[in-house]
Amino acid sequence: DVKVTQSSRYLVKRTGEKVFLECVQDMDHENMFWYRQDPGLGLRLIYFSYDVKMKEKGDIPEGYSVSREKKERFSLILESASTNQTSMYLCASRQSTYGYTFGSGTRLTVV
Amino acid sequence: DQQVKQNSPSLSVQEGRISILNCDYTNSMFDYFLWYKKYPAEGPTFLISISSIKDKNEDGRFTVFLNKSAKHLSLHIVPSQPGDSAVYFCAAHDRGSTLGRLYFGRGTQLTVWP
Repeated sequence: DVKVTQSSRYLVKRTGEKVFLECVQDMDHENMFWYRQDPGLGLRLIYFSYDVKMKEKGDIPEGYSVSREKKERFSLILESASTNQTSMYLCASRQSTYGYTFGSGTRLTVV
Repeated sequence: DQQVKQNSPSLSVQEGRISILNCDYTNSMFDYFLWYKKYPAEGPTFLISISSIKDKNEDGRFTVFLNKSAKHLSLHIVPSQPGDSAVYFCAAHDRGSTLGRLYFGRGTQLTVWP
């Protein structure tokens, strides 16, 4: 089975800090995704990547950037963390023609 | 505008009875549909899927029904168990998308009580 690993389960950061969320998948998948989950809003796509150094904006990219220097690693960057970025962040890798495998998530709190 | 809609944010069912979770979509280019289950503090896990060429897919206690003319699908869980208590997300794949993006609904919180 594909494994998607997010480096931190819980993070607490201060407003204005630059925050890095890391995601690694152990298969040679081209497509990787970053979502955030908020109560009542479901899963919202922030960014996705379809190859090394290639990225596409999702539905809510403002305040975020991404980096994909190697195929297995996809990083989400909060340039200057704000309290409205407190959320559960989920990374996914494209497992099959259609389905994703998700990581366990990172619960980020910005204070 | 949401292309995949789950209009019931929550559902409460007694153990042993049937749970029916509903999902509506607007995009006629969707060709594959999936259900994911999510427990708190964990990532979503794949549950069951259905191709648009079928109208039913069954896996143990879980059955998904697809009504293309109504652009509606439903997930049936029979019998429901307390361990089924989770958030369920409906997702759809756009065959016009070359990048494999799925579109998700907002989720339905299922609570199964003893």
